[in-house]
Amino acid sequence: DAKTTQPNSMESNEEEPVHLPCNHSTISGTDYIHWYRQLPSQGPEYVIHGLTSNVNNRMASLAIAEDRKSSTLILHRATLRDAAVYYCILRAPAGGTSYGKLTFGQGTILTVHP
Amino acid sequence: KAGVTQTPRYLIKTRGQQVTLSCSPISGHRSVSWYQQTPGQGLQFLFEYFSETQRNKGNFPGRFSGRQFSNSRSEMNVSTLELGDSALYLCASSVERREPPYGYTFGSGTRLTVV
Repeated sequence: DAKTTQPNSMESNEEEPVHLPCNHSTISGTDYIHWYRQLPSQGPEYVIHGLTSNVNNRMASLAIAEDRKSSTLILHRATLRDAAVYYCILRAPAGGTSYGKLTFGQGTILTVHP
Repeated sequence: KAGVTQTPRYLIKTRGQQVTLSCSPISGHRSVSWYQQTPGQGLQFLFEYFSETQRNKGNFPGRFSGRQFSNSRSEMNVSTLELGDSALYLCASSVERREPPYGYTFGSGTRLTVV
């Protein structure tokens, strides 16, 4: 499975934007980039995913580099509720042998200061 | 709409015993997968089921097994429990759609303690 690399931890102040980077230099042309986050004492929560183009949803934005070797999850205005571990995951397309499997790395621990 | 339901929430077992954990996916979700989360190893994939068939399996010993029923509910079983099996066991479900692949919805997990 292709690997992702994320910083161990990041800090932000409340109501400021947060940019969480992820490197995935061995990504294949058909892998999707998924982001999940895990709040304390909860299971992971799906945040966003993309393939080549930048994506926006109500939770966040995903900026994907042109060569797809890196991506950035953007939280436009961090709140205390955004404090969590954020995971960047590469997901194989349907039909691949590892389609149904998510490979989690260590993720980035995001601390949000009031 | 109801989320992914895992039962029980907490469980304490003795070494050598066996345990069965249950997962009810979101209605209409046919893919169910299981993960083990420990402080040392993080989140690790156990197996994934779709339409009662195991489609993917992680790198765990044969003591870990699972199954999926026709209503998509899933169970996982761990036999001959070891202390190292103490962990949070998470279940996730997803709508099966080929492209793009949907995200998974996770349950809150079952916290298993082996003593």
